[in-house]
Amino acid sequence: EAAVTQSPRNKVAVTGGKVTLSCNQTNNHNNMYWYRQDTGHGLRLIHYSYGAGSTEKGDIPDGYKASRPSQENFSLILELATPSQTSVYFCASGAPGGANTEVFFGKGTRLTVV
Amino acid sequence: GNSVTQMQGQVTLSEEEFLFINCTYSTTGYPTLFWYVQYPGEGPQLLLKVTTANNKGSSRGFEATYDKGTTSFHLQKASVQESDSAVYYCVLGDLGSSGSWQLIFGSGTQLTVMP
Repeated sequence: EAAVTQSPRNKVAVTGGKVTLSCNQTNNHNNMYWYRQDTGHGLRLIHYSYGAGSTEKGDIPDGYKASRPSQENFSLILELATPSQTSVYFCASGAPGGANTEVFFGKGTRLTVV
Repeated sequence: GNSVTQMQGQVTLSEEEFLFINCTYSTTGYPTLFWYVQYPGEGPQLLLKVTTANNKGSSRGFEATYDKGTTSFHLQKASVQESDSAVYYCVLGDLGSSGSWQLIFGSGTQLTVMP
């Protein structure tokens, strides 16, 4: 069973503070993704990675950084959190293979920036 | 660019009623089409996918046909159950402008099934 674990599950941060969201996968997948979910927008891609040491910008990367130190771990970093970044964040992993490949999601992190 | 449209934000049905969720897409490529389902407190999970135009995908009583002529991928189920209550996402998988493949999500449809 594919497994993607996110931590923390809930986070309250202050405006201007630094926030790190962590993701671990035990699927040995090369590809990992960070999405945010907002009502009316579905899921939007922030950053993704093709393997350890690589990060790529997705559709809405502004205000976010990503880090992929190993095959298993992929972090999303908000250097200066703003209230507009209040959202639910999902990490996902998938094997290489293009658009035919199933993607497996974690349970999400609910971030509130006050 | 690629896009997916789900016009129905919410659908409410009674058990054993017929489900139809509308989805249309726009792309210049040859996408794979997916339906993902998200239960409360969980991440989205794959419900079904279709890789070839004019083919049908099915899973757990749900069906969707990849209609290239009308650029549609509507989700149907003959008889819904209360346990089907969830958010359903229509998703397009295709190469993006950068040459890397990507998943484009629709805005989602909240299905509520009353007992």
